[in-house]
Amino acid sequence: EPEVTQTPSHQVTQMGQEVILRCVPISNHLYFYWYRQILGQKVEFLVSFYNNEISEKSEIFDDQFSVERPDGSNFTLKIRSTKLEDSAMYFCASSPGRAQGEQFFGPGTRLTVL
Amino acid sequence: KQEVTQIPAALSVPEGENLVLNCSFTDSAIYNLQWFRQDPGKGLTSLLLIQSSQREQTSGRLNASLDKSSGRSTLYIAASQPGDSATYLCAVITQGGSEKLVFGKGTKLTVNP
Repeated sequence: EPEVTQTPSHQVTQMGQEVILRCVPISNHLYFYWYRQILGQKVEFLVSFYNNEISEKSEIFDDQFSVERPDGSNFTLKIRSTKLEDSAMYFCASSPGRAQGEQFFGPGTRLTVL
Repeated sequence: KQEVTQIPAALSVPEGENLVLNCSFTDSAIYNLQWFRQDPGKGLTSLLLIQSSQREQTSGRLNASLDKSSGRSTLYIAASQPGDSATYLCAVITQGGSEKLVFGKGTKLTVNP
């Protein structure tokens, strides 16, 4: 069964460093998302991406964050200058359709900022 | 602003028991509601998707119902097993052009052998 994959599973970085989190969505899906979950808190929406453009972003998704689909399969989240409060589990998701479509999540990348 | 609440926060039951998890949302104008399972330190596994026009969905021992007008959904798990132990999350997409899932904090279920 097709699934969303994410790499790495765990990333440790120093405050101020740049990180890139990678995702391979399900191949025939058109809509892509990033969410994050700080330990003990709710899963929060960051950004949605369709047709090579951001279609929606949250207040969390400030200028430190960017997303890219560099080729036909990968979808990346870049954090330019990490802060301690960026430590969280980051989930990628994809959906075959907008809004009404079921979103399928990857296993997550645990980001630890020291 | 859509808010999703799940009660109880935690539930412990003996194996074999039938149980109900509750989810409520403040804005009843939703596109759909999705139930997920999350194992500790792991990703989210989609269990059931209910479109706004539907009243319920079933998958195996799971049955999810939706009462959109009252802003409620329930997840019924029949004949619970220790392997059902996990956190169950409810999430909605609100109408009005948004594509984002808004999540509840989840119910942590423990099924004791």
